[in-house]
Amino acid sequence: GAGVSQSPRYKVAKRGQDVALRCDPISGHVSLFWYQQALGQGPEFLTYFQNEAQLDKSGLPSDRFFAERPEGSVSTLKIQRTQQEDSAVYLCASSLVGGSGTEAFFGQGTRLTVV
Amino acid sequence: QKEVEQDPGPLSVPEGAIVSLNCTYSNSAFQYFMWYRQYSRKGPELLMYTYSSGNKEDGRFTAQVDKSSKYISLFIRDSQPSDSATYLCAMSANNLFFGTGTRLTVIP
Repeated sequence: GAGVSQSPRYKVAKRGQDVALRCDPISGHVSLFWYQQALGQGPEFLTYFQNEAQLDKSGLPSDRFFAERPEGSVSTLKIQRTQQEDSAVYLCASSLVGGSGTEAFFGQGTRLTVV
Repeated sequence: QKEVEQDPGPLSVPEGAIVSLNCTYSNSAFQYFMWYRQYSRKGPELLMYTYSSGNKEDGRFTAQVDKSSKYISLFIRDSQPSDSATYLCAMSANNLFFGTGTRLTVIP
């Protein structure tokens, strides 16, 4: 497809379970971003890749959160030992250029519910 | 204080009205300014992207940036029920920072 694809669309996890969320960016896009969006809030920055390099992970809320983009294309956001406060929509975005994240295009998001 | 402030609304207007949405920011390093539209259970969709102070028009949408006041606006003319969505302002230096979003309802 032509857009950013995220899977799964919905994920229910029991508290303490590990989850992995996948993002397929637009082909050729250099930059990839992960955001967390709580209900009624704007997206909050988690981490940023330029190709395979993770240039900024300052938004990751704890060391339970880990992201990778080993070949500079597909990215995975992993959350270990999920907690209820991790329940949110996780959005992935990609942009053609590196750096400032201009004209970033978003996927549909993965809605994570921790029960 | 958040980097980007946006009135969450909700905002309800009759069809055909002019809508004004606004954000303020505190970080003078922001160089790029964007407006996204987000429908329920969907990802944000880029509407407008501007770099400098001034106005940019695209159809019924006009984006306005005033860097001296650290204030950006989005105007929607002849609003339609299909414009009902949450509108997010966003701005970037190295990362992309979002406002909380304003929920807009256009009533037929």
